[in-house]
Amino acid sequence: GEDVEQSLFLSVREGDSSVINCTYTDSSSTYLYWYKQEPGAGLQLLTYIFSNMDMKQDQRLTVLLNKKDKHLSLRIADTQTGDSAIYFCAGALDTGRRALTFGSGTRLQVQP
Amino acid sequence: GAGVSQSPSNKVTEKGKDVELRCDPISGHTALYWYRQRLGQGLEFLIYFQGNSAPDKSGLPSDRFSAERTGESVSTLTIQRTQQEDSAVYLCASSLWSSGANVLTFGAGSRLTVL
Repeated sequence: GEDVEQSLFLSVREGDSSVINCTYTDSSSTYLYWYKQEPGAGLQLLTYIFSNMDMKQDQRLTVLLNKKDKHLSLRIADTQTGDSAIYFCAGALDTGRRALTFGSGTRLQVQP
Repeated sequence: GAGVSQSPSNKVTEKGKDVELRCDPISGHTALYWYRQRLGQGLEFLIYFQGNSAPDKSGLPSDRFSAERTGESVSTLTIQRTQQEDSAVYLCASSLWSSGANVLTFGAGSRLTVL
């Protein structure tokens, strides 16, 4: 199966919170990452979390990591229309490869 | 430069032709990566360069794909005898990774369309 899995689509109303989920297989990754891709653009790093942390907060962003369940989530508080984009989780999975492995991406649509 | 620069931004080619895609990483970044993103899909790892070490080519989908990097600067991804399934956006990223988080900075990509 996929090394990193994400749901494909999430729709929320402006002002609500968004929660984007990610699950991964065996991971030796010391850090796990969230990237954002706006239409027609490359990926931009949003935030990352050290693997021995459970939570990291950065302004409107909260990352939760459950290592036991191999589950990572990104919460965006007070979601704005400008947050509409595709969100990717990534890590250096135990595939013998040092490059990051990315999930398939979750498209977030924010409705006014 | 200030960011990762890729060229061309768009390339339309006929099936069977060869194409070259270029990536200029951030100056001083020792690691360089190529990924492929097909329409509506996630990123597929292609190849990774780290300093003077042998590149990790484990993601290249066939022997039609090859890449080179000159020292710690420009990289070229070459696709020979292009096929329609090669149509995708090819993303290049670079990073300065010695320890700690490996933060990749991506270029805007080269969109390849094979007719």
